[in-house]
Amino acid sequence: GENVEQHPSTLSVQEGDSAVIKCTYSDSASNYFPWYKQELGKRPQLIIDIRSNVGEKKDQRIAVTLNKTAKHFSLHITETQPEDSAVYFCAEWGGSNYKLTFGKGTLLTVNP
Amino acid sequence: DTAVSQTPKYLVTQMGNDKSIKCEQNLGHDTMYWYKQDSKKFLKIMFSYNNKELIINETVPNRFSPKSPDKAHLNLHINSLELGDSAVYFCASSQAAEQYFGPGTRLTVT
Repeated sequence: GENVEQHPSTLSVQEGDSAVIKCTYSDSASNYFPWYKQELGKRPQLIIDIRSNVGEKKDQRIAVTLNKTAKHFSLHITETQPEDSAVYFCAEWGGSNYKLTFGKGTLLTVNP
Repeated sequence: DTAVSQTPKYLVTQMGNDKSIKCEQNLGHDTMYWYKQDSKKFLKIMFSYNNKELIINETVPNRFSPKSPDKAHLNLHINSLELGDSAVYFCASSQAAEQYFGPGTRLTVT
């Protein structure tokens, strides 16, 4: 079945610190794992994604790691800035269906 | 930034009314979706259409009826609105797995 667990539900860090958000999934057929950022009152926006044939992907201050054996993936944000404050959603795309299953979101607050 | 657009942005209506939300994408994508985001921010898929054909219906009450006149449009009609329908509704489109969301429609049922 499809299930994505996301932790923590809230995360507060000081500007300049790193933030890590973790997700686990249950469907071994899942092969695509995006991360979305949703600012208050705005739409979710894709910020980074990873496919199952890759273990890590980096884009400037954000990176995603994937452990297929353990069925978990993580978002890493380094040198956090106040504009990183938002709700972050992980998701997984299964090979046997055509939908994204989202985690419940993490509210990240970066304190100046 | 009008790749995926929705109208209206806000919708306030009374219980029992019927309302529609429209979505259009100019990305040339084959697949479109409707999501519901409740007050706890949980994003839940409702429907998906691929080239005007319904491919996902996530046990949504039949008061909700999507319609796709062509692959660039996916509209959502809701009959007999209930208080629990209050939420933000997001349209999205994709060509493969990468999905792009519209700006959302905040529906408030009073």
